[in-house]
Amino acid sequence: GAGVSQSPSNKVTEKGKDVELRCDPISGHTALYWYRQRLGQGLEFLIYFQGNSAPDKSGLPSDRFSAERTGESVSTLTIQRTQQEDSAVYLCASSLVGAGGSNQPQHFGDGTRLSIL
Amino acid sequence: DAKTTQPTSMDCAEGRAANLPCNHSTISGNEYVYWYRQIHSQGPQYIIHGLKNNETNEMASLIITEDRKSSTLILPHATLRDTAVYYCIVRNTDKLIFGTGTRLQVFP
Repeated sequence: GAGVSQSPSNKVTEKGKDVELRCDPISGHTALYWYRQRLGQGLEFLIYFQGNSAPDKSGLPSDRFSAERTGESVSTLTIQRTQQEDSAVYLCASSLVGAGGSNQPQHFGDGTRLSIL
Repeated sequence: DAKTTQPTSMDCAEGRAANLPCNHSTISGNEYVYWYRQIHSQGPQYIIHGLKNNETNEMASLIITEDRKSSTLILPHATLRDTAVYYCIVRNTDKLIFGTGTRLQVFP
C-alpha cells in the first residue's frame, strides 16, 4: 500500500517568507509525527498528533512553528518568517496506536528539503 | 527514554552477515528496542523492534540479551544496498529519540 507522502519534496524560499509543508499519512494511521533533521545531524522531534487528543507540541523550537491536522488525515506544518537556521529536512511519520503506544512502529516519508536563502 | 551507545562505523563484505551492536544499559522494563536505518536522502526506514524476545522478519533479526542491557541487529546476507546509517532506539513514549547511529559500509 501507499506509504507516507510529503510535499513538496524540495522547497527554496527567501528569508522572512512563510512556508507550508504537507504530510499525507498512511491510511488508517491515527498517530502522526513531525521531525526535523539538520544537515549531518540526527532527527529532532517537533510535534505529535493522536486522534482528537491535544497535540504534543513540546518539540516546536519557537512560536514561528505551528502544525495542524484534520481528523486522522492530512497534516500541515507551517513556518512563519523563515530564518536561515530553519534550513533542514522536515520528516513526517505515522503509526497505528496499540496498547501502550510504543509497540507500534512509525513509518516515515522521504521528507521536504527546505532551504532558506 | 534510555540512552543507547553504538559504534560510529562498521564495514561488512557483501554476502556476509552484518552484526550491529547496541548498548542500552539503563533500559527499563517497559521500553522497546527499535532499529531504523537511513539511506542517503531518504527518510528513516523501520527495520524491526522487540521487548524481551528475539525477533526476526524479512529484513533482519534482533537479538536481545537476557538482561536487556544490549542487543544486536543481524543482517544475514548484506548487500551493497544495505549501506546506510543504522539507529538503535529505546522507546517507551510516543516520540522516537534518534542518536548518531552506526554508519554501515558494505563493500564488494
